[in-house]
Order: sequence, then structure tokens, then C-alpha cells
Amino acid sequence: DVRLVESGGGLVQPGGSLRLSCAASGFTFSTHSMNWVRQAPGKGLEWVSYINSGSTTIYYADSVKGRFTISRDNAKNSLYLQMNSLRVEDTALYYCVRPMATREESFDYWGQGALVTVSS
Amino acid sequence: QSALTQPASVSGSLGQSITISCTGTSSDIGGYNYVSWYQQHPGKAPKLMIYDVSNRPSGVSNRFSGSKSGNTASLTISGLQADDEADYYCSSYINTFTLVVFGGGTKLTVL
Repeated sequence: DVRLVESGGGLVQPGGSLRLSCAASGFTFSTHSMNWVRQAPGKGLEWVSYINSGSTTIYYADSVKGRFTISRDNAKNSLYLQMNSLRVEDTALYYCVRPMATREESFDYWGQGALVTVSS
Repeated sequence: QSALTQPASVSGSLGQSITISCTGTSSDIGGYNYVSWYQQHPGKAPKLMIYDVSNRPSGVSNRFSGSKSGNTASLTISGLQADDEADYYCSSYINTFTLVVFGGGTKLTVL
């Protein structure tokens, strides 16, 4: 079974940094693009970032561009999100998300999320 | 990019049908047949229910159907069941660099 397990969330002060990790299993990680999607408490979903299978194509939402960096290690079946210059509005549950094999804009597997709280 | 527009809440009785709308623009919903719908129960991760406007992933009940007209997509749930009570989110492909935009979500209450 496909499994995505996020880790690395926690409480950080505004301006601080945090690195999220996502351990993938149950599928050939190296052949799939991956995404991060976040959900602020009581709010809707927001796409954050995309990385293709070979790390040659990367996209970010305007809200995080220049502050967040997505990366992956196919040898370790892992996805990462380095978050710098964190703001209060970055507080959210961050999901590691795998798109369908043939539809990169439709997400068929989601982790349980890592909670990031930015507060002083 | 602004979020797609969904009603905040809808309700329906057991066994009835409901439809949730999702309105965008010609740059997202109207421009592509890449609309998806997700179901999210409280405290759970979202689940893909519909992709490419009207296709169901394997394992999703045929009580769930999707459609699109112009800049508005719709999710219809027929034969409402208690377990359908959840939040529903639409999404659409925008462009290569932004990838997708989500709707604000609709809370479905089953009476």
C-alpha cells in the first residue's frame, strides 16, 4: 500500500526555519512527481510546491516563493520542504501529496500531515 | 491566483441528491478539463473523489458524479448517506507554474 509519512513539524517563532520530511513507501517513488499542500487551521487547502521525479522541474505558490525550498532524495524515498523566514500565516498542516500517474494536477495519495505553528 | 468559489455549506436529507458548485474563470475551470473534487472528513486527509471533471478513481462510489459548464464545475452526490457528511473541495489546473488552485471548501450536512 502507498504510504506517505510526514515529520519535522513543530512550533517556531516568526522569522525562523523548519524542515519537513516525507517518507514514501509502497510505490516507485523515483518515478513520481510530488507536492506539498497545506491547510491552515479551520481553512481550505492551498497548493504549496511541486517537484518532478528527477528534481529538474520545481514550482512554488507565490505565497512561499523565495522562502521555501522543495527537494527530494530518490535513494531514500524521501521528500523535503525547507521553510525559511516563516510567518504567522504559514501556520498550517502540511501534507505530502502524490499525484496520479497520468494526471499531475489530481492528487490520489495524501499523508496525514505535519503541523507547523508559527508564533511568538 | 484567487481560490475557486464554492458555497460555504449545503445540506440534504438521507437518500436525496445534492449538487455543489465550483466557480472559476476562463483561466482555470473554463480553460481546461482538469477539475478534481476531494472529500475530507474531520481530522482526516483529503480523498480524491473525481478527476478530469467527471472521472472516478477506482473504489469511489458511482453515487458521486462530476460535470462542468463554462467556468463552473459541479459535484453531485446521489442517494445521500450519513458518511457523506464531510467537507468537499474542488480544484483546477491553472498553468504549468502554479499547477492547481483549490476552492474554499463546502461543508455538506446530511440531515
